[in-house]
Amino acid sequence: QKEVEQDPGPLSVPEGAIVSLNCTYSNSAFQYFMWYRQYSRKGPELLMYTYSSGNKEDGRFTAQVDKSSKYISLFIRDSQPSDSATYLCAMSAGYGQNFVFGPGTRLSVLP
Amino acid sequence: GAVVSQHPSWVICKSGTSVKIECRSLDFQATTMFWYRQFPKQSLMLMATSNEGSKATYEQGVEKDKFLINHASLTLSTLTVTSAHPEDSSFYICSARPRPRRTLITGTSGSEQFFGPGTRLTVL
Repeated sequence: QKEVEQDPGPLSVPEGAIVSLNCTYSNSAFQYFMWYRQYSRKGPELLMYTYSSGNKEDGRFTAQVDKSSKYISLFIRDSQPSDSATYLCAMSAGYGQNFVFGPGTRLSVLP
Repeated sequence: GAVVSQHPSWVICKSGTSVKIECRSLDFQATTMFWYRQFPKQSLMLMATSNEGSKATYEQGVEKDKFLINHASLTLSTLTVTSAHPEDSSFYICSARPRPRRTLITGTSGSEQFFGPGTRLTVL
């Protein structure tokens, strides 16, 4: 079993839809959870950063962490074509610990 | 804030030559910098971790003599691909982690990494 699992997609949705992206993990020591967005041939851009369990909202983006289920989610409301990208989840056990990345989910938002 | 730059953004070189890629944190000090490579439609693969002033730690399977990493200051790390071959053609991305800071809610934070825009290396 991989340490972090993520459905690679591609996931295609119509403009305006609510998008749900998910990752599962096996290491219960993970405490820091990140979501990155990566456009083609560009470096990843940090979208959301969450410590431990709970929800965090930033504009159209909501990140959820359920440590009991070892499951994290990123929700995108009112999706736009400009949201079309690969979304990577990443997690670490703490400062000084390396990140473990999911393989990424390719999202296409169709106009 | 939290901007990381990479130079060059795209490089083409002949087989057997060496290529140096620079990674700079522009508005923060980075105690740790990371180097990744990414093949098309694949996720990031960590190559090495470098801490300012000390030797880099390489991931299993990454040749340290081929991929030379120098982290000379808190804002600059370099990756040199020596004697490059076509199979080294890839997208190389660096990231930087800021100095740790404390918050009232989360305790020690600053675990996040900020990525550079990447360097596309093509070896002919």
